[in-house]
Amino acid sequence: AQTVTQSQPEMSVQEAETVTLSCTYDTSESNYYLFWYKQPPSRQMILVIRQEAYKQQNATENRFSVNFQKAAKSFSLKISDSQLGDTAMYFCAFTGTASKLTFGTGTRLQVTL
Amino acid sequence: EAQVTQNPRYLITVTGKKLTVTCSQNMNHEYMSWYRQDPGLGLRQIYYSMNVEVTDKGDVPEGYKVSRKEKRNFPLILESPSPNQTSLYFCASSLGGAWTEAFFGQGTRLTVV
Repeated sequence: AQTVTQSQPEMSVQEAETVTLSCTYDTSESNYYLFWYKQPPSRQMILVIRQEAYKQQNATENRFSVNFQKAAKSFSLKISDSQLGDTAMYFCAFTGTASKLTFGTGTRLQVTL
Repeated sequence: EAQVTQNPRYLITVTGKKLTVTCSQNMNHEYMSWYRQDPGLGLRQIYYSMNVEVTDKGDVPEGYKVSRKEKRNFPLILESPSPNQTSLYFCASSLGGAWTEAFFGQGTRLTVV
């Protein structure tokens, strides 16, 4: 069974600074996808970024980028130039051959002035 | 607009009183799934469906039922709710079983007293 681990329950960053959220996963599959989802206070689940395991290049979406280390089974999210609107819960998630998304326990990020 | 619609968004009920949370998607997706979100546990899959009349248990199915009589609808049924089912519930849909592009509903906050 796949597992996703987020070891940072809470983090804080000042506006305009950079923060990195950690995620590790465990799987025996070779073809899979990894995601970061953002959940603001509105509770909506918003896809931030997606990484395909067979692609070596790290995914980027504007201020969001990942550091995907396949051998180490690590998938961290870097948020550059943090903004107040980035305040949210962030979930790392995995999908492979099983018909589901497997989520980590989440990291609550607070962006401060 | 492509969307997954859940109702109600908030619900307070008493132990043992049957309830149904509705979920509808307008994207003709074959795959649908229910998750519950609890603090410190992330999102966990309750049930999923691969097509009309095809459903299967997820990781935490106890105390829940589902049905898929139409492609667009996937209601979650709690026949005898208990306080440990107090949670935030999400319905999600995907075109394919790999869940590489998932669409989530707005969430239903359920409190069982």
